[in-house]
Amino acid sequence: SQTIHQWPATLVQPVGSPLSLECTVEGTSNPNLYWYRQAAGRGLQLLFYSVGIGQISSEVPQNLSASRPQDRQFILSSKKLLLSDSGFYLCAWSKGEMETGELFFGEGSRLTVL
Amino acid sequence: GQNIDQPTEMTATEGAIVQINCTYQTSGFNGLFWYQQHAGEAPTFLSYNVLDGLEEKGRFSSFLSRSKGYSYLLLKELQMKDSASYLCAAKDSNYQLIWGAGTKLIIKP
Repeated sequence: SQTIHQWPATLVQPVGSPLSLECTVEGTSNPNLYWYRQAAGRGLQLLFYSVGIGQISSEVPQNLSASRPQDRQFILSSKKLLLSDSGFYLCAWSKGEMETGELFFGEGSRLTVL
Repeated sequence: GQNIDQPTEMTATEGAIVQINCTYQTSGFNGLFWYQQHAGEAPTFLSYNVLDGLEEKGRFSSFLSRSKGYSYLLLKELQMKDSASYLCAAKDSNYQLIWGAGTKLIIKP
């Protein structure tokens, strides 16, 4: 069966510090991978998605970046965090976009920037 | 622009039935999803509709009307564990998901 895991679950970081969130998927190959951010009272905001190794599409210009060094690994990074980066970050995977495209989410990472 | 509208919050009684509505406006349409999200947790998939009509899955059913840009999620025999947020999301012509802000459902005994 397929599983998705992301870490860390919770982190508190000072403004200006770097960030690295990691996500791995097991039990499937060549998944579509996504990073979402969820702010209170708002819908999920797609940050990045990837259809293959080294292929990253950015949906929102910001100080965040994403990388996919391996087929089932997706990393969200920042060199300098802003207060507005606080939120609940979700990694997700899906099969090819032409199919139902059900998303499977990781456990989430709650980031607080102080 | 693309938009998903759903009520912010609803309250229902244990054992009752509740209907959560969702209207959408998207550039093209490739299906509508409902997800359940308990507080502090990740969303989990509930249902997918791409054709008009009702899809039933146990206590949960989802309805779609493409001509009206409308869907609803029907929850029967409500249990306390159904207290959660319910997210509506529509897939546009580029197969990207447009998400609603979610409906927080509060179940009272």
